[in-house]
Amino acid sequence: GNSVTQMEGPVTLSEEAFLTINCTYTATGYPSLFWYVQYPGEGLQLLLKATKADDKGSNKGFEATYRKETTSFHLEKGSVQVSDSAVYFCALMYSGAGSYQLTFGKGTKLSVIP
Amino acid sequence: SQTIHQWPATLVQPVGSPLSLECTVEGTSNPNLYWYRQAAGRGLQLLFYSVGIGQISSEVPQNLSASRPQDRQFILSSKKLLLSDSGFYLCAWSVRGGEYEQYFGPGTRLTVT
Repeated sequence: GNSVTQMEGPVTLSEEAFLTINCTYTATGYPSLFWYVQYPGEGLQLLLKATKADDKGSNKGFEATYRKETTSFHLEKGSVQVSDSAVYFCALMYSGAGSYQLTFGKGTKLSVIP
Repeated sequence: SQTIHQWPATLVQPVGSPLSLECTVEGTSNPNLYWYRQAAGRGLQLLFYSVGIGQISSEVPQNLSASRPQDRQFILSSKKLLLSDSGFYLCAWSVRGGEYEQYFGPGTRLTVT
């Protein structure tokens, strides 16, 4: 079946540090891949996505590259800010009965301290 | 632009009481609609999805049910809540008919006491 595995959190970084959150997936075929972010007390927001191998999604300084050979979609940011503190979810999209559906990882909580 | 609303934002209910959570979408037609539950330390679990009025698919057997009485309205219900129903409930929508991203509402925090 389809599954997503994210690195265990929580992750605590100092402001301006480099961020990597690992994500690997298991799926049939070549699914689209997503990163969503959830700020405290809010719903999820789409952060970035990639729809095919070697695509790079980017937004707000975050990047992730779809690596088919390693079935990975690691999230990176060169210099994190306090405002990046949130829970980050990796997800893949697959075709279910009548619609496309998302499978999420368990989420990685990031705390950035000044 | 499209917006998605959920209410109530917060709810505290006793065990055995009924539940009704509502989700509405504005600014789009014929969306796919989804209900997720987020329990502490367990990520997001897809509960129900709908590709049209009256069409509901259940992903997880439980004491919850969903209905879609109108094109842009999605309701999550229970006749008798359990303690294990506590969590953060998220509604989402996507464009129908393709591999499109999902857009999430602000969520409802449900505590069953």
